[in-house]
Amino acid sequence: NAGVTQTPKFQVLKTGQSMTLQCAQDMNHEYMSWYRQDPGMGLRLIHYSVGAGITDQGEVPNGYNVSRSTTEDFPLRLLSAAPSQTSVYFCASRLFSTGGEQYFGPGTRLTVT
Amino acid sequence: GIQVEQSPPDLILQEGANSTLRCNFSDSVNNLQWFHQNPWGQLINLFYIPSGTKQNGRLSATTVATERYSLLYISSSQTTDSGVYFCAPDSGNTGKLIFGQGTTLQVKP
Repeated sequence: NAGVTQTPKFQVLKTGQSMTLQCAQDMNHEYMSWYRQDPGMGLRLIHYSVGAGITDQGEVPNGYNVSRSTTEDFPLRLLSAAPSQTSVYFCASRLFSTGGEQYFGPGTRLTVT
Repeated sequence: GIQVEQSPPDLILQEGANSTLRCNFSDSVNNLQWFHQNPWGQLINLFYIPSGTKQNGRLSATTVATERYSLLYISSSQTTDSGVYFCAPDSGNTGKLIFGQGTTLQVKP
């Protein structure tokens, strides 16, 4: 099992550009989520999904879109990048929303200039 | 929403020392997990512990859900234990994990 994979590892964007961060898992987990980590802020939940076709907002959803067309994939879209979105982004998955250990991907370091 | 407070925020140990990290949470929870973020940024799940005590080598964790706290014990610390330790309880049926600010641990040789 590859676990949770994320691409790219690093990305630099200009203000106003859009892009998609990719996330995939091969553990047949129902629950997937995206977090951002900023210095001194811990990890904050952006969006999550309890299964294919179902998504919902977390603590800091503004400026981001998600979709879950398959169990395996959960991409995060930045619609119009802003410097405030400079952060490290982590994708995670767990078996069910009501239980199971959560596993994280390696992260994507995004810089918006 | 649920509030999570971790203490201490920073901890410096000499190799071989023991330590206890604490996590307080403000509401009842269904589950709680402890994670270690190593100096390279990787997040590793240490314990899935909604209640009771679990042990894994030199690490153990105890959650007392009725009193809304969890403890992570590190014994005979090693330099590879350095990094940030996060606790993350969840509540309700959404499964949302809410992360504390973390405890930054530095183990000196």
